Amino acid sequence: NAGVTQTPKFQVLKTGQSMTLQCAQDMNHEYMSWYRQDPGMGLRLIHYSVGAGITDQGEVPNGYNVSRSTTEDFPLRLLSAAPSQTSVYFCASSYVAGVDGYTFGSGTRLTVV
Amino acid sequence: DAKTTQPNSMESNEEEPVHLPCNHSTISGTDYIHWYRQLPSQGPEYVIHGLTSNVNNRMASLAIAEDRKSSTLILHRATLRDAAVYYCILRPSGGYQKVTFGTGTKLQVIP
Repeated sequence: NAGVTQTPKFQVLKTGQSMTLQCAQDMNHEYMSWYRQDPGMGLRLIHYSVGAGITDQGEVPNGYNVSRSTTEDFPLRLLSAAPSQTSVYFCASSYVAGVDGYTFGSGTRLTVV
Repeated sequence: DAKTTQPNSMESNEEEPVHLPCNHSTISGTDYIHWYRQLPSQGPEYVIHGLTSNVNNRMASLAIAEDRKSSTLILHRATLRDAAVYYCILRPSGGYQKVTFGTGTKLQVIP
């Protein structure tokens, strides 16, 4: 089925460990983004990309890296996990033009202990 | 970046219409008004969007004020499945899009 696929769905990390959250879409969308959602909060933008090779920072980029080598994939890397990064992470994609809606993945629930 | 303001929570009786308001007084001419909803433990789901004219789809209707500084998402007959958090956002057309979501409106549907 077409859509946005996020892996893993759940992850527990120890403080200081690194990991990569994967996001892939098969809709040929130019725009992809990563959000985090803390309990009872809205979604805050971490990083986004408007095409392969082009990325930019969102509201809360510290502690995260991204790259966009293909149209389909937009991985999010945690460099050195901290308890403050415990959250649910959502990936979203759309056409850049903005006249259609975002398609979101089902999320990755990350716990840092 | 243009911001939106929504009530924190609303209640509706099942099978009655629901009007969810959103204020966006700093909207620019190229901003589209988007609505999403998020069911518990799920990712947000696109509902509807518009620019200037009112819009209808199978899920809802979007009423946009003439000055575009506010909009209303209309659910014509609320069901228990409509209980969710509803987000109103502004999305520029084209270019770099640093779009953020607020905390939305939590809709409770009473049987």
